[in-house]
Amino acid sequence: GAGVSQSPRYKVAKRGQDVALRCDPISGHVSLFWYQQALGQGPEFLTYFQNEAQLDKSGLPSDRFFAERPEGSVSTLKIQRTQQEDSAVYLCASNKGGEGYTFGSGTRLTVV
Amino acid sequence: GQQVMQIPQYQHVQEGEDFTTYCNSSTTLSNIQWYKQRPGGHPVFLIQLVKSGEVKKQKRLTFQFGEAKKNSSLHITATQTTDVGTYFCAGVEYGNKLVFGAGTILRVKS
Repeated sequence: GAGVSQSPRYKVAKRGQDVALRCDPISGHVSLFWYQQALGQGPEFLTYFQNEAQLDKSGLPSDRFFAERPEGSVSTLKIQRTQQEDSAVYLCASNKGGEGYTFGSGTRLTVV
Repeated sequence: GQQVMQIPQYQHVQEGEDFTTYCNSSTTLSNIQWYKQRPGGHPVFLIQLVKSGEVKKQKRLTFQFGEAKKNSSLHITATQTTDVGTYFCAGVEYGNKLVFGAGTILRVKS
């Protein structure tokens, strides 16, 4: 596609609920990244894929967070048993490697 | 681990004044990138600097990468209301993983 597409744009989850956030990167971009951005902060790295391989997951805050990209294109970030501290904007980005990132519009997750 | 610091946190300028934001990394970087995020929006890529001492210009924006490849700056000449937003620097130490600074919020009074 023309840009990075994320869905849903907004998600309200009750504490303890599981959520799944979707990212559809730019066609042909082998690298895909997930970031978490709290209000007034810079994006914080969560995880990184090259094609279907998850090369770095050092930023995932806990084992409740899980990401996958099974066919090397669309990726899903799953958060199990959501907590209030998980409330943030989740940004997905892609690039060809060695270039600037193209970010999606993000998913704003609110845990109540 | 790698840390990227930015100053100032916030700057409010009169339209037509200049603006500068500074970025420092705790480690030597392979490259540094700059992004702009409008209120309610997502980060948008502006530029990438790779070489030691590199200077690049985009119209009224001038980007510099330090000789030691640990610091960078963004200077905007004669700010306009369209420059409003948060400017982030982000460094790559190795591989393809970006570490972002906390950003500098720019407000412009017309």
